[in-house]
Order: sequence, then structure tokens, then C-alpha cells
Amino acid sequence: AQKVTQAQTEISVVEKEDVTLDCVYETRDTTYYLFWYKQPPSGELVFLIRRNSFDEQNEISGRYSWNFQKSTSSFNFTITASQVVDSAVYFCALRSNNYGGSQGNLIFGKGTKLSVKP
Amino acid sequence: DVKVTQSSRYLVKRTGEKVFLECVQDMDHENMFWYRQDPGLGLRLIYFSYDVKMKEKGDIPEGYSVSREKKERFSLILESASTNQTSMYLCASSPGTGGWEQYFGPGTRLTVT
Repeated sequence: AQKVTQAQTEISVVEKEDVTLDCVYETRDTTYYLFWYKQPPSGELVFLIRRNSFDEQNEISGRYSWNFQKSTSSFNFTITASQVVDSAVYFCALRSNNYGGSQGNLIFGKGTKLSVKP
Repeated sequence: DVKVTQSSRYLVKRTGEKVFLECVQDMDHENMFWYRQDPGLGLRLIYFSYDVKMKEKGDIPEGYSVSREKKERFSLILESASTNQTSMYLCASSPGTGGWEQYFGPGTRLTVT
């Protein structure tokens, strides 16, 4: 079965704190892709990152970093020195060829709502 | 920049009405998707299309149909709207095969009264 679990429903931090959003996935495929999306209060999902199953290298982009560990089936997202503008719902998603064939269907976690207070 | 647009941000319809939600993308993407988003349930796939005039059911197709007459346009149709279809509807597109990310429109918040 394909599944994405974001155990943290809501997180609240104070500005400048670091925060990690957890994502655990399940798939039997050896080839799969993982994604993170941000949904600010305006509602539009914004793509943040894609990672394929053969690339376990961690990624850093400014204050954002992602830690992909196949051994624990996790793809966690860390925001360093959080800012109020980071307040949003964050979704982790999985794509594998066993779901929806090659058309690129995504399986989404239920999202983590991050509130960053000034 | 990829642009996915949806015909309305907010829509209010009455029970039993036929409702059309339109989605247009300008990046010549093959794949298009319709999701609904509800609190506590996340995003659920309604229908998707991987080519003109092609459509596939997603996880929750009941009560919905779709139309894709042109590559850039994917319409979601509620044949007879019901109150349990009150939701946020999100359209997305992605290029061909492979692990490409989906690009989302701004969403349509539909209220059925």
C-alpha cells in the first residue's frame, strides 16, 4: 500500500525558532518520488522540492533543508530561523508507479499546520 | 512560470444545480488533476486526465464527471450538486511521465446550500 503520514497536525513556534516537520511514507516500489508543498492562507499549493528514491543526498535551500532517509522511510523538512511568513500548511506527497501508473498521481499526507508567532 | 488558473475563487450554488469548475494551464502539460480538500482529510483525487479526451477515476469520483476537450483545459462537473460537495477544489497539472511535480491553481471554494 502507498501511504504518507504526517503525524504532526499542528505546530506552533515563535519566530526565529527552528522547526522540523516529519513525513513518513510507505511504498513497495523501488522507484518513487517524494515532494513537499506549502499552502499559505491564500490557498494555492506551492511546490517546494522533489526528491527521487535513488538520491538520498540532503538538500538545503536558504532556510529550508530536507533530510531523506530510506532506512526509516522518512523525508523530513526543517525550517531554520522560522519567520511569520512561513506560517502555512505543509504537505508531504509520494509518487510511485504502482499508483496511477505513469501519469504522476500523488499521494498526499494530511498536512501539518505551522504557525509562527512574532 | 507555470500558470494554472481556475475560473472562480468562490462559488455558491444550490442543491441540485449543475456546476462547472474550469481549469486552464498554459504550460502544455499532458496531465491534469482535480482534487478536493477538506479539513482533516487532506487532498483527495477526484479525477485525472493524461491526454485530451482521456480521463481516469481517482479515489472519490462519485457525484463528479470531467471533460477534457482541449489539452489546456480540464473541467470538473457536478451533475447535481449536494451539500456534501461543499469543499475546496484544487486543479493541478504536470508534464508527461516521470516524477514531475504537479502545479496547482489557486483553488475554488464551493459552497452548496
